[in-house]
Amino acid sequence: DQQVKQNSPSLSVQEGRISILNCDYTNSMFDYFLWYKKYPAEGPTFLISISSIKDKNEDGRFTVFLNKSAKHLSLHIVPSQPGDSAVYFCAASTDYGGSQGNLIFGKGTKLSVKP
Amino acid sequence: DTGVSQDPRHKITKRGQNVTFRCDPISEHNRLYWYRQTLGQGPEFLTYFQNEAQLEKSRLLSDRFSAERPKGSFSTLEIQRTEQGDSAMYLCASSFGISGNTIYFGEGSWLTVV
Repeated sequence: DQQVKQNSPSLSVQEGRISILNCDYTNSMFDYFLWYKKYPAEGPTFLISISSIKDKNEDGRFTVFLNKSAKHLSLHIVPSQPGDSAVYFCAASTDYGGSQGNLIFGKGTKLSVKP
Repeated sequence: DTGVSQDPRHKITKRGQNVTFRCDPISEHNRLYWYRQTLGQGPEFLTYFQNEAQLEKSRLLSDRFSAERPKGSFSTLEIQRTEQGDSAMYLCASSFGISGNTIYFGEGSWLTVV
């Protein structure tokens, strides 16, 4: 049973527009969430994180929103650029990543930003 | 470059052979993780170390897999008697191991079992 779900395998947006990537989770014990970006044949690169005590975290063009009651988070990229084209993974952990060692990942969403 | 380093980046092996991957974490990171990623899936947790102690192992880590971190620095992941189903990218990651700390990944080691 998947605890972290990214239900959209792919997303295509125009350069300059907003990209919204969604993630749902089932485990109410998750309290720390991260987004990673991955290019083919490379390891995931950390983008942004959010703890469950917040509902929004912003870093430049990237903003993550957390809706705990809905067990839903989203990553907004504004404005989208062709270099953002990659696979985006949502990940979650418990105990704010402290005593629990591992992250649980979704299957990823492939974002294509067209010029 | 002070990121997580993995070696080799690519390995092709015949079924039944043993393979070993090495990971050098970011300096001073006391936690080191191994993940596996197959096509169309997100990274799946295999095991992690806090310093030299292996604290958790996933059920994905069969008895053909063994990981070590003898001095709390670099780590090795050995797969014995490889099977075609072992073909995947093996990712190493490290962190400070404190709450709210980010886990940083290496470039990964591609394994193809033929």
